[in-house]
Amino acid sequence: NAGVTQTPKFRVLKTGQSMTLLCAQDMNHEYMYWYRQDPGMGLRLIHYSVGEGTTAKGEVPDGYNVSRLKKQNFLLGLESAAPSQTSVYFCASRLKGTNEKLFFGSGTQLSVL
Amino acid sequence: EDQVTQSPEALRLQEGESSSLNCSYTVSGLRGLFWYRQDPGKGPEFLFTLYSAGEEKEKERLKATLTKKESFLHITAPKPEDSATYLCAVGYNNNDMRFGAGTRLTVKP
Repeated sequence: NAGVTQTPKFRVLKTGQSMTLLCAQDMNHEYMYWYRQDPGMGLRLIHYSVGEGTTAKGEVPDGYNVSRLKKQNFLLGLESAAPSQTSVYFCASRLKGTNEKLFFGSGTQLSVL
Repeated sequence: EDQVTQSPEALRLQEGESSSLNCSYTVSGLRGLFWYRQDPGKGPEFLFTLYSAGEEKEKERLKATLTKKESFLHITAPKPEDSATYLCAVGYNNNDMRFGAGTRLTVKP
């Protein structure tokens, strides 16, 4: 059972380039989340989805777009990368309901030069 | 403004020296308080969920408690393998989930 899989694990971009991070889960979870983690700031929510075809903004959505075309996949896009988007990105998923625990992927280390 | 604040930022303990980590929150519409453990280079792993004031949960050397404004993670007789960053998070009515900045725990043998 793979759980939550993130690709790629590492990526280096130049300012202005675009890319897409992929998150896939095989647990049939309804809810999926994208977080970024920066030193001293903990995990900050970028966007989340409560079901296929639906997305919502979190704390820090600017500069990012997301799509949830299939239940098992949640894509995070950067249209024009900026150095401020250098971070570690984590995807997470959970079952429907407000008190369910999150399952996290292993993270993507992104550097924007 | 809703906030989740963890203290201390870092904590160094000797093996066997018990202590507590704090998570205070000012959140409207709280629907659960969560504790996670994160090892370097990995994603957070779930430890506990607390739903209401007065509730307690235990797992090995860890015990989590909850009041109306804060939660504590008590570590009894810690071992070096307990070294990690401990994160707390709150769940909202709208299915959002927000995290504190974490406490980095180091346990020296």
